[in-house]
Amino acid sequence: AQTVTQSQPEMSVQEAETVTLSCTYDTSESDYYLFWYKQPPSRQMILVIRQEAYKQQNATENRFSVNFQKAAKSFSLKISDSQLGDAAMYFCAYRVEYGNKLVFGAGTILRVKS
Amino acid sequence: KAGVTQTPRYLIKTRGQQVTLSCSPISGHRSVSWYQQTPGQGLQFLFEYFSETQRNKGNFPGRFSGRQFSNSRSEMNVSTLELGDSALYLCASSLVSAGISPLHFGNGTRLTVT
Repeated sequence: AQTVTQSQPEMSVQEAETVTLSCTYDTSESDYYLFWYKQPPSRQMILVIRQEAYKQQNATENRFSVNFQKAAKSFSLKISDSQLGDAAMYFCAYRVEYGNKLVFGAGTILRVKS
Repeated sequence: KAGVTQTPRYLIKTRGQQVTLSCSPISGHRSVSWYQQTPGQGLQFLFEYFSETQRNKGNFPGRFSGRQFSNSRSEMNVSTLELGDSALYLCASSLVSAGISPLHFGNGTRLTVT
């Protein structure tokens, strides 16, 4: 069974600084997809960034980028120039090639200090 | 374009009752999946519907069921409610049921069982 592990229950970052959230996963599949979602207090899960496992190039979306290490089964999220609006719970998620079953990690609470 | 709409936002039920939650996906999306979020178990996949057919089911008892209508709207039903069913129930829609197509989540229904 696939599992996703986020080892940091909580992280803090100063506004304008950079922070990295860790995620590791376990799977025997070769084709899959990885996602980072954020969940602010409003409860709505918002897609931050996504990565196809067959692509070696790390995905980037504005201030958000990932470090995808397929052999190590690692998928960390880097947030640059952190803003107060980045404060939320961040979830790492895994999905096989077919179907919309996401396997989520336990989440990391990110606090941004002004 | 309207997002994923879940109704109601809050629900209070008594043990033994049954409940029905509703989800309207983004227009044109044919896949609807449901997730349960609790502090103890985190985010867990319940089931996915695509073109009115259940594609996948998570590890939940038969008291949890769902269906999808021809307009892609979906309902989730929980019968014989237990205290442990108290949770945030999230619905997500997607264009297709494969690939990198992301899931778009609603704001959730907060169910409290007393």
